[in-house]
Amino acid sequence: AQSVTQLDSHVSVSEGTPVLLRCNYSSSYSPSLFWYVQHPNKGLQLLLKYTSAATLVKGINGFEAEFKKSETSFHLTKPSAHMSDAAEYFCVVRTTKTSYDKVIFGPGTSLSVIP
Amino acid sequence: KAGVTQTPRYLIKTRGQQVTLSCSPISGHRSVSWYQQTPGQGLQFLFEYFSETQRNKGNFPGRFSGRQFSNSRSEMNVSTLELGDSALYLCASSLPGQRGTGELFFGEGSRLTVL
Repeated sequence: AQSVTQLDSHVSVSEGTPVLLRCNYSSSYSPSLFWYVQHPNKGLQLLLKYTSAATLVKGINGFEAEFKKSETSFHLTKPSAHMSDAAEYFCVVRTTKTSYDKVIFGPGTSLSVIP
Repeated sequence: KAGVTQTPRYLIKTRGQQVTLSCSPISGHRSVSWYQQTPGQGLQFLFEYFSETQRNKGNFPGRFSGRQFSNSRSEMNVSTLELGDSALYLCASSLPGQRGTGELFFGEGSRLTVL
């Protein structure tokens, strides 16, 4: 069985302070992991992805995430929040076998950035 | 390179009507998947098409259907609309040969309101 848990439904940070959005997953197989961002009334944009290469993944707009297999976590971080980072963030797990391909979205974390 | 294009962006229907939504994937992408996004249920997978064949299907009633054309464009149809079908419908495409590791590229969605 696969699942994705985003531990915080809402995170609020001040502009210029670090961002931490937490994601834990469960998968029977070695998954690919993604973080997407969604601004209001927009589609989802890929921030970064992990596909069994380096465990520390760098993405766009200064975001990065670290894959920790022992903790089944894939937390998203950014050293300094910007007002434009205010959005909804989704952690996504994709698992593929020969005749099986499943994409599971986390429930999302809403990030607010206070000026 | 044009992104994923969804039409219409906004539409209003009444209960009992039907609706057809269209999705044009990125050129060269042959896999198209559809998602329903609502505040209460989050992002839920509807179905995935590859080379005109439905490859995966989510847990939605038979009122929800889709198809894919030879040029990879896809449509989804919802018949006998219910109030609960009000949602943002997102289409995503991905490259062939990257199943499992490839990211999904999303359109901006079609916002359906059922009155």
